[in-house]
Amino acid sequence: SYVLTQPPSVSVAPGKTAKFSCEGNNVESKSVNWFQRKPGQAPVLVIYYDSDRPSGIPERFSGSNSGNTATLTIDRVEVGDEADYYCQVWESEDHHMVFGGGTKLTVL
Amino acid sequence: QLQLQESGPGLVKPSETLSLTCTVSGGSVNSDSYFWGWIRQPPGKGLEWLGSISYSGSTYSNPSLKSRVTTSLDASKKQFSLKLTSVTAADTAVYYCARALAVANAPVLFDYWGQGTLVTVSS
Repeated sequence: SYVLTQPPSVSVAPGKTAKFSCEGNNVESKSVNWFQRKPGQAPVLVIYYDSDRPSGIPERFSGSNSGNTATLTIDRVEVGDEADYYCQVWESEDHHMVFGGGTKLTVL
Repeated sequence: QLQLQESGPGLVKPSETLSLTCTVSGGSVNSDSYFWGWIRQPPGKGLEWLGSISYSGSTYSNPSLKSRVTTSLDASKKQFSLKLTSVTAADTAVYYCARALAVANAPVLFDYWGQGTLVTVSS
């Protein structure tokens, strides 16, 4: 079955840029969605269809998808952005929703 | 504003069936523009999709759990449900219900989530 691979952790200083990778075989052929999950809270959709932002999500959040890697970028990182970030795709061949393992963002 | 709320037992015995219900408020389930689904997160692990169901009854389930997962929807009550049979300690997790946008009759992304409910499998 299809697999999405994410690094376990990313650390960045406040005000800097954080990048999260999501690797999958030819992932550029799929639409990648990104979720933010803070402890004790429900996941929140921050990017959908590779690069679209839901209403209410700051412009600091952006996404891209090329080749075998999709990327979530957070510019001007804030302490409040500390969370786990998950990528997700719908695998249409075997009708299966796939999540990456998640990346924990630590703001130093 | 759409809201989803999970309910059900917080403790289930091994080999028994885990049953959860999600109640939808602030919106309708009477549309094939959406699927209604379940996702879980075991302690210390990532998110795992379990299954989804549409208003018209189309269903999809995680292949790794397919024979154990059943989803159903009661539009009159604005509720949908999950049954997971033959549970073990490995099924201990926070269980979320969520709404997914439907594209080509498939649940492609979750846009609204419930707060989640912890289910522990233990004797």
